[in-house]
Amino acid sequence: GENVEQHPSTLSVQEGDSAVIKCTYSDSASNYFPWYKQELGKRPQLIIDIRSNVGEKKDQRIAVTLNKTAKHFSLHITETQPEDSAVYFCAASINTGTASKLTFGTGTRLQVTL
Amino acid sequence: DAGVIQSPRHEVTEMGQEVTLRCKPISGHNSLFWYRQTMMRGLELLIYFNNNVPIDDSGMPEDRFSAKMPNASFSTLKIQPSEPRDSAVYFCASRSTGRTYEQYFGPGTRLTVT
Repeated sequence: GENVEQHPSTLSVQEGDSAVIKCTYSDSASNYFPWYKQELGKRPQLIIDIRSNVGEKKDQRIAVTLNKTAKHFSLHITETQPEDSAVYFCAASINTGTASKLTFGTGTRLQVTL
Repeated sequence: DAGVIQSPRHEVTEMGQEVTLRCKPISGHNSLFWYRQTMMRGLELLIYFNNNVPIDDSGMPEDRFSAKMPNASFSTLKIQPSEPRDSAVYFCASRSTGRTYEQYFGPGTRLTVT
């Protein structure tokens, strides 16, 4: 089955700096790669996703890049703010239009310090 | 829409007791997922349903765990008998098998088995 590895496990940046989280996946058939943000005591929530027919996607301060050849994808957060502090999970799945499951990475705890 | 609804939000029980967790997916969503989250093992998929039919239960840890989805608006996850190592946050998520692949998570049930 699919295996997703995520690095780093913890990341501390100063407010205003950029943060990058990287993930690799094992199944070359995977075609959907979402990123979820989970604040302390809350549910995971989707912040951005990318499909395999796209190499990069951006939404304000957040961007995701995908390298299908190398089977890795990354989350980039620019101009970090204290409210960006949370645990971020990457995931991968094979979507065929019917139900399919996400395989999650182990998470990155991001702390944005003042 | 109220989003994915889970009950109870917190459950404290003694080892050996039966525990039933409940989930109501978002109306119109035809896929439902049960996850378990712990510090040690991260976010694990236990089982998922498509159109009320279990598709993949390979993540169910053992026979003590069972899940049902009798109709499109209700699912249960049952643990019998419960053990201290079952203590975790259990999330239910749902999605529509349409153009969007996003899974929407419920608020979770925090289970403590003493």
